[in-house]
Amino acid sequence: GESVGLHLPTLSVQEGDNSIINCAYSNSASDYFIWYKQESGKGPQFIIDIRSNMDKRQGQRVTVLLNKTVKHLSLQIAATQPGDSAVYFCAENTGTASKLTFGTGTRLQVTL
Amino acid sequence: DAMVIQNPRYQVTQFGKPVTLSCSQTLNHNVMYWYQQKSSQAPKLLFHYYDKDFNNEADTPDNFQSRRPNTSFCFLDIRSPGLGDAAMYLCATSRRAGTGLSEQFFGPGTRLTVL
Repeated sequence: GESVGLHLPTLSVQEGDNSIINCAYSNSASDYFIWYKQESGKGPQFIIDIRSNMDKRQGQRVTVLLNKTVKHLSLQIAATQPGDSAVYFCAENTGTASKLTFGTGTRLQVTL
Repeated sequence: DAMVIQNPRYQVTQFGKPVTLSCSQTLNHNVMYWYQQKSSQAPKLLFHYYDKDFNNEADTPDNFQSRRPNTSFCFLDIRSPGLGDAAMYLCATSRRAGTGLSEQFFGPGTRLTVL
């Protein structure tokens, strides 16, 4: 079936460096994508979203890039901080559905 | 602030004893979801309501039921909890319009322990 997956289960970066978390999706009909941050014991927190008519969207310290040709999504975090340590999930939606399909998650560890 | 609220945050129940988890939202979103999340896994969708229309996932056990009495509230009923049902239960809301889905916001979750 269609799925959304991540390449790396754990990413370790030094404080102050930039982080890049990747996500591959297989449903070519997907037209809406969301990145979530989940800290231990908490619900997923919306970070940033992007629709398929865009290839880049920026937020505060975060940028999402969408490459529809290769069905790839990435989340870039600038100047990574200890508070960024969490599990990051990508999720995708197709316009005809009311639900999201989640990727498996990447744990980001920020070292001092 | 508008938000998704879940009660209780922690719930302990006995094996086989029915339990109800609640979710409320002040976002006036027309879609509400229930997810089950186990350790180190992605949230797994159990079912969702699009307005009053109930949409069950094919692999959701019959042991799990849901009610949405109005736009703001949604309940998850576990009729006979088993040890395997111990998990974090997440409620989420979203707005679905003609242009598609908008951002999906999650509540803080209810951690269910089954003894």
